[in-house]
Amino acid sequence: DAGVTQSPTHLIKTRGQQVTLRCSPKSGHDTVSWYQQALGQGPQFIFQYYEEEERQRGNFPDRFSGHQFPNYSSELNVNALLLGDSALYLCASSLGTGPMETQYFGPGTRLLVL
Amino acid sequence: AQKVTQAQTEISVVEKEDVTLDCVYETRDTTYYLFWYKQPPSGELVFLIRRNSFDEQNEISGRYSWNFQKSTSSFNFTITASQVVDSAVYFCALSESPYSGAGSYQLTFGKGTKLSVIP
Repeated sequence: DAGVTQSPTHLIKTRGQQVTLRCSPKSGHDTVSWYQQALGQGPQFIFQYYEEEERQRGNFPDRFSGHQFPNYSSELNVNALLLGDSALYLCASSLGTGPMETQYFGPGTRLLVL
Repeated sequence: AQKVTQAQTEISVVEKEDVTLDCVYETRDTTYYLFWYKQPPSGELVFLIRRNSFDEQNEISGRYSWNFQKSTSSFNFTITASQVVDSAVYFCALSESPYSGAGSYQLTFGKGTKLSVIP
């Protein structure tokens, strides 16, 4: 049973560039959430996708956008990168959007913005 | 707004010692869910346990146990006879239904406690 997978594992970009991160959910899961984890901090919720729509969004600017595909996989796009966007980006999947649903996390993508 | 506080930033114990990781939460909801995750150096968050607000029974799973007390808004995690493999950052997290009524939820994490088990 495949778990949550993310690509790439590491990425280096420069300020002002754009980046796309990818996530494949755990088998059987239909909901994908994205989190940003700065060094030494807990993960911060970016947004959640279900049925190819953004269902909920955290306190992140519009530079952060996403997409969910019919096969439930998802992309996170960040435009006009800032130094402060350097972080570990975690994707989590769950079966449904309810608060009782356990989210299972992928290994993350480490983004470094120079 | 929901909030999770893990006051212990770092803890070091000698192997075989017991250790308790504290978690205090704030929420306005009567229905909510609490989680613990483990994050080893590889970075992947590993799910450990989920508890709903109506179930105050303590739970034990091998060397792990959890103490949920609604009266003090705490959900503490104890590792008995710690091992080097327990070294990781541990996160407590809370989810509740948003007032928007959209049916989705946010998982709010504490800042984590870094546990180092010394052989």
